[in-house]
Amino acid sequence: GAGVSQSPSNKVTEKGKDVELRCDPISGHTALYWYRQSLGQGLEFLIYFQGNSAPDKSGLPSDRFSAERTGGSVSTLTIQRTQQEDSAVYLCASSLNRASTSSYNEQFFGPGTRLTVL
Amino acid sequence: KQEVTQIPAALSVPEGENLVLNCSFTDSAIYNLQWFRQDPGKGLTSLLLIQSSQREQTSGRLNASLDKSSGRSTLYIAASQPGDSATYLCAVNSDYKLSFGAGTTVTVRA
Repeated sequence: GAGVSQSPSNKVTEKGKDVELRCDPISGHTALYWYRQSLGQGLEFLIYFQGNSAPDKSGLPSDRFSAERTGGSVSTLTIQRTQQEDSAVYLCASSLNRASTSSYNEQFFGPGTRLTVL
Repeated sequence: KQEVTQIPAALSVPEGENLVLNCSFTDSAIYNLQWFRQDPGKGLTSLLLIQSSQREQTSGRLNASLDKSSGRSTLYIAASQPGDSATYLCAVNSDYKLSFGAGTTVTVRA
């Protein structure tokens, strides 16, 4: 079946502009995650959705970052007033559920969106 | 905060040799551990998932072990091939979010 998809694959923007990154999880996966991969910080967790609610936003680096998920499916990560330090690859993942003892919480990743802020 | 360390950072071997990649983590209260492969400019491909109750997981030439009490996991790749060249990432799941190591970059020479 189809995997996690993300769009755009690449985004170049000017400092101060807003950007929106989109993630389509695997059909039927109730949990969705955003991570960021940058040269200096490695891979870091940003936010987690279970259904449409986000019980953990602890990884969002500042209030310029926000995310939403609608219909328990597609998610959008928005970065307002972009800064050069926001340049990174933004990765989305999904899993079937979040039950701690379930074998179904394997996370599957999309190809990422490479964001470059000039 | 969960800290994940991978050793070595880079590894170069001739084709046919077995690979041993190490991962250590600081908090043993984990749900599971995943090993991923990442090719340059690409996303992450899940290789193996080991639940916290398991000691070992195998898939083809890949075998991963988990010693939760000592905070260690090892990924073995048998009879390496040039196509195995990639960065391998270890990720620990503590309450749904993954904490990643910095990765081991593997080069298999033909």
